[in-house]
Amino acid sequence: KNQVEQSPQSLIILEGKNCTLQCNYTVSPFSNLRWYKQDTGRGPVSLTIMTFSENTKSNGRYTATLDADTKQSSLHITASQLSDSASYICVVSGNSGGYQKVTFGTGTKLQVIP
Amino acid sequence: DAMVIQNPRYQVTQFGKPVTLSCSQTLNHNVMYWYQQKSSQAPKLLFHYYDKDFNNEADTPDNFQSRRPNTSFCFLDIRSPGLGDAAMYLCATSGGTSGSYEQYFGPGTRLTVT
Repeated sequence: KNQVEQSPQSLIILEGKNCTLQCNYTVSPFSNLRWYKQDTGRGPVSLTIMTFSENTKSNGRYTATLDADTKQSSLHITASQLSDSASYICVVSGNSGGYQKVTFGTGTKLQVIP
Repeated sequence: DAMVIQNPRYQVTQFGKPVTLSCSQTLNHNVMYWYQQKSSQAPKLLFHYYDKDFNNEADTPDNFQSRRPNTSFCFLDIRSPGLGDAAMYLCATSGGTSGSYEQYFGPGTRLTVT
């Protein structure tokens, strides 16, 4: 069964600090992995996407890493801001050909406090 | 510029009273999806349209129906809402059904059932 597990479930950090969120998946065969940011009461917004051959991808203060051998990904947030408070969802997709359902993680809820 | 629009953003309905949620897109994408997301849970795919072809998930209750009159619009009909149907409903679009296509999400409609 395809699964995506994220840790921690929730996290509180001080503004300006860095943090790292984890994602472990068992989706096979693997096509790509995305990190989404979901503000409370809003739809998810894509931050990064990585395919099998990519180890790291950056988007501003967000840097995602992928280890396809261990099936692990991380999202590192640098110099956190209050606006980073949101849920971060790891989403893994199957084959690149034909229809494949994406598998969502349950998310990490991040709260950045002053 | 709004790309995936959902109306209304908040909907209150009574137990058993039919309700319709709407989604429109300006991306001219072939595929439109409806997800149900309950608090602190991952979005759960209900169904999707590839052009006019309707694809229902096996575990989607019969209470949930959908219509797609044209490329731009897609509706979610809940025939007899129960208390357990209170959730955020997310509409998403993509340029294809392969996992390599990014899904663009709307802001969601939060449904309350009284």
